[in-house]
Amino acid sequence: GQQVMQIPQYQHVQEGEDFTTYCNSSTTLSNIQWYKQRPGGHPVFLIQLVKSGEVKKQKRLTFQFGEAKKNSSLHITATQTTDVGTYFCAGPDNLFFGTGTRLTVIP
Amino acid sequence: DSGVTQTPKHLITATGQRVTLRCSPRSGDLSVYWYQQSLDQGLQFLIQYYNGEERAKGNILERFSAQQFPDLHSELNLSSLELGDSALYFCASSVDGQGVTLHFGNGTRLTVT
Repeated sequence: GQQVMQIPQYQHVQEGEDFTTYCNSSTTLSNIQWYKQRPGGHPVFLIQLVKSGEVKKQKRLTFQFGEAKKNSSLHITATQTTDVGTYFCAGPDNLFFGTGTRLTVIP
Repeated sequence: DSGVTQTPKHLITATGQRVTLRCSPRSGDLSVYWYQQSLDQGLQFLIQYYNGEERAKGNILERFSAQQFPDLHSELNLSSLELGDSALYFCASSVDGQGVTLHFGNGTRLTVT
């Protein structure tokens, strides 16, 4: 069945360092979504990627969808303490969530 | 505030019991999704309804059932509860059946003792 694997599971960074989380699927994804869940909160939609090779930016966040549409990444430049939380990828159609990457930012 | 309302916020019950979790979607959203999140785990998709009809089914146990009512609110029924059912249950809604953008509620934390 469809599975979406996400790595790393945990990431600790110094404030100001960059952070990247990766999402991989064994099958082609029609679309992929990214969510952020703050500690004690609920997931919040960040972005959807649909096209092969697509790159989207939101301020310090850069999202990429692989050419084969089997992988995706979220890169945060110069992390801030407000970036703390767990980042999930999901797809397709939000039926399969990755295990998430929990980001800790050390001030 | 996502606009999605889940009640109750917390629920503590004993093994073998039955509980009902309720979700009111955002105004205008026709689709409701249910997810289970165990401690330090990802989100497991349970079931999706669109405009009253079941649209997709995930790893939902036979002891669990759900429905979406004409006013579009949804209920998730969990029966014969086991300790392993303790988790955070999220409801999410989207305007259409494809669920491009999901809006999540604050969740119901279920503790089975």
